Amino acid sequence: NAGVTQTPKFRVLKTGQSMTLLCAQDMNHEYMYWYRQDPGMGLRLIHYSVGEGTTAKGEVPDGYNVSRLKKQNFLLGLESAAPSQTSVYFCASRGGLQTGELFFGEGSRLTVL
Amino acid sequence: AQSVTQLGSHVSVSEGALVLLRCNYSSSVPPYLFWYVQYPNQGLQLLLKYTSAATLVKGINGFEAEFKKSETSFHLTKPSAHMSDAAEYFCAVSRSGGSQGNLIFGKGTKLSVKP
Repeated sequence: NAGVTQTPKFRVLKTGQSMTLLCAQDMNHEYMYWYRQDPGMGLRLIHYSVGEGTTAKGEVPDGYNVSRLKKQNFLLGLESAAPSQTSVYFCASRGGLQTGELFFGEGSRLTVL
Repeated sequence: AQSVTQLGSHVSVSEGALVLLRCNYSSSVPPYLFWYVQYPNQGLQLLLKYTSAATLVKGINGFEAEFKKSETSFHLTKPSAHMSDAAEYFCAVSRSGGSQGNLIFGKGTKLSVKP
């Protein structure tokens, strides 16, 4: 029962370094999302995908890029990390729009020094 | 535009007392509404959801919520708090018929349970 799996779970970067977060889901879901969670801010949508090969910007997309080359995977990239990107990142997937809830991964904690 | 407001960033109750976490939404179309719970260092888990069927929705762990259109509210309640209920709770709204499918989250309410 893997569900949504995120790797890595923890990462420390220096300003200007790049990295990729990987999200994998085994539920054959069409929709996938990347959120960031910051204290007192709730969850904010970074990017999302409504199917393989498609991506779109969410509420806070600046400084991030994404790719959905395979249906089960959704990658979040930081090309040049900044301290403002220190956060906990959550990936989620959804099977369909009608009443379907989001299924979340356990999160990836990123610190940018 | 849709939005969610959770009243109170921190709520503290005694074990055995009523839990009431408030959520008000704004939506120009019929909404779908959700409550999620997040335990420390974990992801979010669905507690319950309202999808235009019964207005009183029962979820896991004894929680329930009532959709009140006239008050644009979807408050979460539990008759008797347990220590294990200590967590952060998020209310979320999704637009029915929308093409993105994402949820708009409130800022969260951290629930503390005192022995």
